[in-house]
Amino acid sequence: GDSVTQMEGPVTLSEEAFLTINCTYTATGYPSLFWYVQYPGEGLQLLLKATKADDKGSNKGFEATYRKETTSFHLEKGSVQVSDSAVYFCALRGSYGGSQGNLIFGKGTKLSVKP
Amino acid sequence: ETGVTQTPRHLVMGMTNKKSLKCEQHLGHNAMYWYKQSAKKPLELMFVYSLEERVENNSVPSRFSPECPNSSHLFLHLHTLQPEDSALYLCASSQALGGYEQYFGPGTRLTVT
Repeated sequence: GDSVTQMEGPVTLSEEAFLTINCTYTATGYPSLFWYVQYPGEGLQLLLKATKADDKGSNKGFEATYRKETTSFHLEKGSVQVSDSAVYFCALRGSYGGSQGNLIFGKGTKLSVKP
Repeated sequence: ETGVTQTPRHLVMGMTNKKSLKCEQHLGHNAMYWYKQSAKKPLELMFVYSLEERVENNSVPSRFSPECPNSSHLFLHLHTLQPEDSALYLCASSQALGGYEQYFGPGTRLTVT
């Protein structure tokens, strides 16, 4: 079945450092790919998405490119801030079968940014 | 209130208790979801409702019983839970099933003692 694998955390960075959180997926067909963010004490919020190969999603300085050849959707930000401290979830939505429309999540990666 | 709200935010219950979690969405959506978020595990989809009808039940034990009386409200009734059921329970809604963005509530942190 469809699945998402993202890098284990936690990740600790200094302010203004470069961030990469790796995400790879296994899916039949052409899934849509997402990054969600969960700030402390809150629910998940959609950060960015990409619906087809080579699409780049971007929001709040974060970017991720849908790479079908490597089945990856890595999250990047050039200069992180303390306010980016949160848990980041990679997810996919399958295009076939009984899971159509349902989101499949990775385990989440906790990011802590120090001043 | 805007978005998706959940009450209570925190709940501690014994294994013999009966309690309910409530979710309300103020977005005019037609689909609602219950997820379980456990430490070190991916989010698990538990139940999906569309227009108040349950369309998916992912092999969830019967000690969890969902109820959707209307398109704005979703409940999760809990009884005779186990300690391993301790988790963050998230509710979400979307305009409809399929390729629509899901909006999440803040969750209920449940501890079973």
